[in-house]
Amino acid sequence: DIQMTQSPSSLSASVGDRVTITCRPSQSISSYLDWYQQKPGKAPKLLIYAASGLQSGVPSRFSGSGSGTDFTLTISSLQPEDFATYYCQQSYSIPYTFGQGTKLEI
Amino acid sequence: EVQLVQSGAEVKKPGESLRISCKGSGYTFTSSWIGWVRQMPGKGLEWMGIIYPGDSDTRNNPSSQGQVTISADKSISTAYLQLSSLKASDTAMYYCVRLRGWLQSPFDYWGQGTLVTVSS
Repeated sequence: DIQMTQSPSSLSASVGDRVTITCRPSQSISSYLDWYQQKPGKAPKLLIYAASGLQSGVPSRFSGSGSGTDFTLTISSLQPEDFATYYCQQSYSIPYTFGQGTKLEI
Repeated sequence: EVQLVQSGAEVKKPGESLRISCKGSGYTFTSSWIGWVRQMPGKGLEWMGIIYPGDSDTRNNPSSQGQVTISADKSISTAYLQLSSLKASDTAMYYCVRLRGWLQSPFDYWGQGTLVTVSS
């Protein structure tokens, strides 16, 4: 199985900050990397697909980059509604695997 | 509008089995993979498996070790997750998801989740 390592596991930030979350798979996954946001008590929501594609309806302050074994999710200017947990996930090979999550707190 | 609507919360005893459902609407059910994701309390996400309702092609996570059966009834646009020999550690929220396209696609729609509690 491909292990997905996210860092940091938690992050404290303020409204307006620029934030970057990193995801590193245990082997190359090309660009088969997606990012999800999950708020307490809610189902996760797709933010970024194929490493850098912005899902429809997602604000442009979210962006993704990377390929192979090094990926990042960037939020350019944090808004109050962005405080949540973020997960990366590889769809390169079955079993699909998720990172452990990054909890973004105020 | 694409929707995945899951069955309601379940409370089971250890050793029992259960089946939860996920009804898709707003798209061609037989043309998209449907998957299942587990989230134990306070923990991260775990992919369990997927099925292509068009031909019932199924791919499971080997870690389920035969405890998990994924199926679909295309006549009613519904996918199922069956769990057998339940343990307390199966207590979790279970989400169904739709893959946007073929394999290697993102999960673009999620069901609302079904909470399963296993307790004696």
